[in-house]
Order: sequence, then C-alpha cells, then structure tokens
Amino acid sequence: LAKTTQPISMDSYEGQEVNITCSHNNIATNDYITWYQQFPSQGPRFIIQGYKTKVTNEVASLFIPADRKSSTLSLPRVSLSDTAVYYCLPRRALTFGSGTRLQVQP
Amino acid sequence: AAGVIQSPRHLIKEKRETATLKCYPIPRHDTVYWYQQGPGQDPQFLISFYEKMQSDKGSIPDRFSAQQFSDYHSELNMSSLELGDSALYFCASSVARQAGSQETQYFGPGTRLLVL
Repeated sequence: LAKTTQPISMDSYEGQEVNITCSHNNIATNDYITWYQQFPSQGPRFIIQGYKTKVTNEVASLFIPADRKSSTLSLPRVSLSDTAVYYCLPRRALTFGSGTRLQVQP
Repeated sequence: AAGVIQSPRHLIKEKRETATLKCYPIPRHDTVYWYQQGPGQDPQFLISFYEKMQSDKGSIPDRFSAQQFSDYHSELNMSSLELGDSALYFCASSVARQAGSQETQYFGPGTRLLVL
C-alpha cells in the first residue's frame, strides 16, 4: 500500500497562496490521490482528487506530476477559516497518515 | 445534498458499559467505513462493510463488533468500554468497493464518546 508523507505543519497569512506537497512513491497505477480537510471535532471533508496533471475546483487545485510520486494541493488566497488539518491519501486507502496542520494568521 | 448521518452525536458511558453507534450512509452508497480518532490523533481505520459483508478490518478491538444491515446502515457495537475508548468515531460511506473501482469516502459528523 502506498505510504504518504506530508509536512507536519505550515503557517501562512490571510490572502496568501498555500501549497501542501504530499509524497506517495508507491501509489498504485490505477489509483487516485484524494485530499481531505478536517476541522477540530468534525469529520474529514473531501476537497479534491486527481489522477495526473492538474485538477481544479471551487476550493483548490491539485497538481500531480507525470511520475505520480507526489502531489501538491494549492489553496489560493487562504483565509482564517482555512485553518485545519489537511490529509492526502490514495483513494483506495483506508489508513490516514499524519496530516498537515495549516495555521492561517491574520 | 444528503450526507452521512451518525447517531448519537454525543454519548457518555461508564467503564465496562456497552455502546452502540449508528451510521446511515449517503443514499445509494453501499460501503461503510468506521474510524476512531483520539484527541490530537489522526483517524484510525477500524472496519468496513460492502454489501453487508465485512470487506476490510483494521485496528478494531475484539471488544468491538459491527455490521451492515439490508438498508445499508451500519452499527458499531462496543462492549466492556475502557477509558481509552473515549474518542470521536466517524463513519464514512462510498459507492461500490470492488476490484478496480475508484471510490471516494464521504465522512459523517462523528459521534463523540466519553467513557468515565
């Protein structure tokens, strides 16, 4: 099973773009990468998923290079409400790794 | 859009008591997953069901059991509760976990269990 590695924490300021990179060296050939956002005491919320290249929705963009060994979640112009823990994991995975705790400051 | 429903949202029990948590998946989702999340920890996978059959098993204690019913809702039964069982319990649902399928899990709001 693919093991994911993310930075433990990141700090940013309101209005900045935040990029969180996840490495997943052994992701299965036909699996997708999924990103979740979790606020304290709430269930993880699905943000975005992709297979390769770039995916964009109303919340974020996801960049996956051709070798698919990593992916980068991009949050444009973050606000205080984006302070949360962000997890990446293969879509077929059942195990959450250690997510990235994003703290957005005023 | 309909989401995953969990009940109760909060539960307080004494040590050695039993508890039952319920999960109602998103309509037409046939797969249910249970996770446990302790304070300051990442979600830990417990068990999952596809079409009423157990599909994967994680770190679920022997004191816990779960099942999925014909209407696809699921129940997590916890017996001989211990202080360490105090946690948030999340249920997630997805469609069609089968070979080659690409499902996305959607999580419920969780049940906060406190064991005193």
